Amino acid sequence: EAGVTQSPTHLIKTRGQQATLRCSPISGHTSVYWYQQALGLGLQFLLWYDEGEERNRGNFPPRFSGRQFPNYSSELNVNALELEDSALYLCASSALTSGARYEQYFGPGTRLTVT
Amino acid sequence: AQTVTQSQPEMSVQEAETVTLSCTYDTSESDYYLFWYKQPPSRQMILVIRQEAYKQQNATENRFSVNFQKAAKSFSLKISDSQLGDAAMYFCAYRGIIQGAQKLVFGQGTRLTINP
Repeated sequence: EAGVTQSPTHLIKTRGQQATLRCSPISGHTSVYWYQQALGLGLQFLLWYDEGEERNRGNFPPRFSGRQFPNYSSELNVNALELEDSALYLCASSALTSGARYEQYFGPGTRLTVT
Repeated sequence: AQTVTQSQPEMSVQEAETVTLSCTYDTSESDYYLFWYKQPPSRQMILVIRQEAYKQQNATENRFSVNFQKAAKSFSLKISDSQLGDAAMYFCAYRGIIQGAQKLVFGQGTRLTINP
């Protein structure tokens, strides 16, 4: 079974540009989560998508946005890039069932560098 | 809001010995899940072990076990017979069960070094 995949592996952008990061969940998983891992700040929850809808959002400005496609893959868009957006962006997926325990399985991440 | 604290930024242990990583958390919920994740230099986050708060029995996965103290809100990870491949960042994480609260809340991580 293929794991969570993310592309690209590395992304270099300049300040003010837009970045698009992609994630494909494990087959059968309907939920996708995005986390930011910035140096010194740990892992911070960004966004949660399930069945094509945004279900929850972390404490990030609106220039962080995304969407989930009918095949459950997801995009994270970061507009008006700032230097502090440089981080590892991790995507995770899970099979969301009501009230059940489940695990989030992570992809290898996209390293975004803003210069 | 839930918080997770890992008070040991770095730990080291001799190969084949036992090491314990500490984690405390704060929550007002009575039911929740706790996890330990491992992040090796490859950056891939790997689930190590899971504990359901309603279970009193401590979870065990091969050489990995936890000491879950619900009243003290403590969730430590014990690694027995440490191996070189155990070297990584270890993150403690919390997840509530309230609808809409499926996000993971992570601690700051503990970097574990294994000395040969």
